[in-house]
Amino acid sequence: AQSVTQLGSHVSVSEGALVLLRCNYSSSVPPYLFWYVQYPNQGLQLLLKYTTGATLVKGINGFEAEFKKSETSFHLTKPSAHMSDAAEYFCAVTRNYGGSQGNLIFGKGTKLSVKP
Amino acid sequence: ETGVTQSPTHLIKTRGQQVTLRCSSQSGHNTVSWYQQALGQGPQFIFQYYREEENGRGNFPPRFSGLQFPNYSSELNVNALELDDSALYLCASSSILAGGPVQFFGPGTRLTVL
Repeated sequence: AQSVTQLGSHVSVSEGALVLLRCNYSSSVPPYLFWYVQYPNQGLQLLLKYTTGATLVKGINGFEAEFKKSETSFHLTKPSAHMSDAAEYFCAVTRNYGGSQGNLIFGKGTKLSVKP
Repeated sequence: ETGVTQSPTHLIKTRGQQVTLRCSSQSGHNTVSWYQQALGQGPQFIFQYYREEENGRGNFPPRFSGLQFPNYSSELNVNALELDDSALYLCASSSILAGGPVQFFGPGTRLTVL
């Protein structure tokens, strides 16, 4: 069975500071990993994904994440936080089910606050 | 290219009633997945439809049912509503061939059960 753990339900950083949101996963097969962002009263927007290939993946809005198989981690980082980054972030995992699309398993989310 | 759309945006029902939520998938996507997001939680998988057939189901009772139409749009039906059904319902569309293992989400329908 697959699962996702996001460490820290709330993270607060100052504008311009490093953003680090932690995600650990459990999967018995090679996973596909995702980070989504959710702004208040909105749906989920894909930030970045890891499927195969390069383990450091870059996404939108300056975010990136590194897939570390040995640590079963997929932490999200951004070098310099902006006020507009304040939102809730969800890490998710799925697997390749061949011709059809597997379901996503989400973590509980991390709410990011950015202080001026 | 039109993204995933959902209707209605908000809905208020009373306990015991039935509700239907609708989702239009992104162009070229043949798979629709539905998720329930309770307040303060991550989305939970309800079920998925692939080429008009149910293709997986999460831990939800049978009063949660769905349909997918030939144009790949979808409905989520919930019977005998309970207070705990109050949540944001998210629809996501995808296609392994068109976009790989990425699900694109709609804005959601906020259901309140009184």
